[in-house]
Amino acid sequence: QAVVTQEPSLTVSPGGTVTLTCDSSTGAVTGGHWPYWFQQRPGQAPKTLIYDTSNKHSWTPARFSGSLLGGKAALTLSGAQPEDEAEYYCLLSYSGARVFGGGTKLTVL
Amino acid sequence: EVQLVESGGDLVEPGGSLRLSCAASGFTFTNAWMSWVRQAPGKGLEWVGRIKSKTDGGTVDYAAPVKGRFTISRDDSKNTLFLQMNSLRTEDTAVYYCTTAKRKYSTFDYWGQGTLVTVSS
Repeated sequence: QAVVTQEPSLTVSPGGTVTLTCDSSTGAVTGGHWPYWFQQRPGQAPKTLIYDTSNKHSWTPARFSGSLLGGKAALTLSGAQPEDEAEYYCLLSYSGARVFGGGTKLTVL
Repeated sequence: EVQLVESGGDLVEPGGSLRLSCAASGFTFTNAWMSWVRQAPGKGLEWVGRIKSKTDGGTVDYAAPVKGRFTISRDDSKNTLFLQMNSLRTEDTAVYYCTTAKRKYSTFDYWGQGTLVTVSS
């Protein structure tokens, strides 16, 4: 089974920019992996931010964007806010299986 | 408004069985693909499995750790998704979420609040 790897933790200053990445053990991440990004705050259910690499939902703040970067899926946060402090997970699709990354704990400090 | 409400979580002994339900509303359940995702205490998210709509074949895919022990099914007449869990192990202890999407072929746009399953003697 594929392994999906994310940075365990990252820190960003308020108002700053940070990029989280999502890597696949099987090779470069492409649009065919239909990358998703989720935000989870403590004690809450996950919330979907990005689907199919770069598409946003109506509830996704404009400061979040998704892309492919250097063979990985990427989530960029531009203009970090205190409420963005959370765990972020990516998800990749492989044939019949879906695999989550281990999550990135983002601290806004 | 899409609503997903999971129920059925409980404390069960290793080797036991449990059936979870997910009551859905606010979208056309018959056309929707649905997934189960779980999260062990203090750990990350883990995909459990997905069921397609009956019109798309109704087929089910499972993650390797649960294949052969868990069964996903649906009752379109009751807008309800099920997860039958047999031969439960301590490592199955987790909050179980059901998920769906309004878009075709997708299942991860909307999440329920989850139900806790604890496997312990």
